[in-house]
Amino acid sequence: NAGVTQTPKFQVLKTGQSMTLQCAQDMNHEYMSWYRQDPGMGLRLIHYSVGAGITDQGEVPNGYNVSRSTTEDFPLRLLSAAPSQTSVYFCASSGGQGSWTLHFGNGTRLTVT
Amino acid sequence: GQNIDQPTEMTATEGAIVQINCTYQTSGFNGLFWYQQHAGEAPTFLSYNVLDGLEEKGRFSSFLSRSKGYSYLLLKELQMKDSASYLCAVKHNDMRFGAGTRLTVKP
Repeated sequence: NAGVTQTPKFQVLKTGQSMTLQCAQDMNHEYMSWYRQDPGMGLRLIHYSVGAGITDQGEVPNGYNVSRSTTEDFPLRLLSAAPSQTSVYFCASSGGQGSWTLHFGNGTRLTVT
Repeated sequence: GQNIDQPTEMTATEGAIVQINCTYQTSGFNGLFWYQQHAGEAPTFLSYNVLDGLEEKGRFSSFLSRSKGYSYLLLKELQMKDSASYLCAVKHNDMRFGAGTRLTVKP
């Protein structure tokens, strides 16, 4: 049972490049979410999904896209990377419907130069 | 809007008790969570309150007062390994976090 798996662990991008951060969970969780974590600012919610085919914006959605075509996968896309997107990104999932404890992936450290 | 506040840093001595406070103002409420995060690692779940009162789990306890928008995490018999950040989070439609409290435990 792998839990929540994020890839890659580290990534360096140039300004304007695009990329996709992958997130997969094998716990059959309905709820999945993406956070970014910056020093002194805690975890800020980017996008979340309450089930396959459903996504919604969080606190800081600009510059990011998501999709949820399957229950297992919730990729995060950076369309045109900017230095302000340098951060640590965490994917998290929970069972939903009263089982709201978040299970986190190990994070992706992204640097945009 | 949503606002979740907790102290930025705290220091305590090994073997002592420390209380980390969290106040929140949110548009809805379905539960308050506490997570622990060691430096360079992912957050891990510690405790959860949905009703008023105290929840105890070994050395860790969490308290909630919904009418006051207030929670605290109580850590007893502090150990060096408890040095970490402690994150308060509120569940409504999604899960929002405070900025975290960095706890340093000294010998």
